[in-house]
Amino acid sequence: IAGITQAPTSQILAAGRRMTLRCTQDMRHNAMYWYRQDLGLGLRLIHYSNTAGTTGKGEVPDGYSVSRANTDDFPLTLASAVPSQTSVYFCASSPGQEADTQYFGPGTRLTVL
Amino acid sequence: GQNIDQPTEMTATEGAIVQINCTYQTSGFNGLFWYQQHAGEAPTFLSYNVLDGLEEKGRFSSFLSRSKGYSYLLLKELQMKDSASYLCAVRDRDYKLSFGAGTTVTVRA
Repeated sequence: IAGITQAPTSQILAAGRRMTLRCTQDMRHNAMYWYRQDLGLGLRLIHYSNTAGTTGKGEVPDGYSVSRANTDDFPLTLASAVPSQTSVYFCASSPGQEADTQYFGPGTRLTVL
Repeated sequence: GQNIDQPTEMTATEGAIVQINCTYQTSGFNGLFWYQQHAGEAPTFLSYNVLDGLEEKGRFSSFLSRSKGYSYLLLKELQMKDSASYLCAVRDRDYKLSFGAGTTVTVRA
């Protein structure tokens, strides 16, 4: 059982390019989340999905979009990357929004130049 | 929104006890979480408190006082592998987590 996988592991991207970070879980969890982690700021929620077919905005959604076509996949897209989006991105999932824990993927380190 | 404060760094000796404090201000409290994160790795779940009191799990314990907006994580019998960042997170009534910036604990021999 893989749990949560993210791809790519790391990426260097030119500003203005479009980029999709992939996240897949095999635990049949209903809820999924995208966070970014920056030094000194901690993890901040970008977007979330409580169940397939629904999404919502977190604390820092601008410049990002998500989709949830099925239970397993929750891709995060940067339509036109900017240097301030340089960060480590973590995907997480939980059985439901009310669950007492979230399980995190290994992260994607993204550098926008 | 949430305001979550925790110390930036702490250092302790192997075998000792360390207490990491977390204070929060929230518009709607629905649980407090502690996560451990080793450098370059994903956060992993340690504990969850929703009612006042102490939750004990082996060498780790977590305490919550909702009236004071205060929690602590207690790490006993410290081991070198406990060197990591410890993240305090508060869940709101919409079930969204807000994280503190994390406390880096360094365990010295």
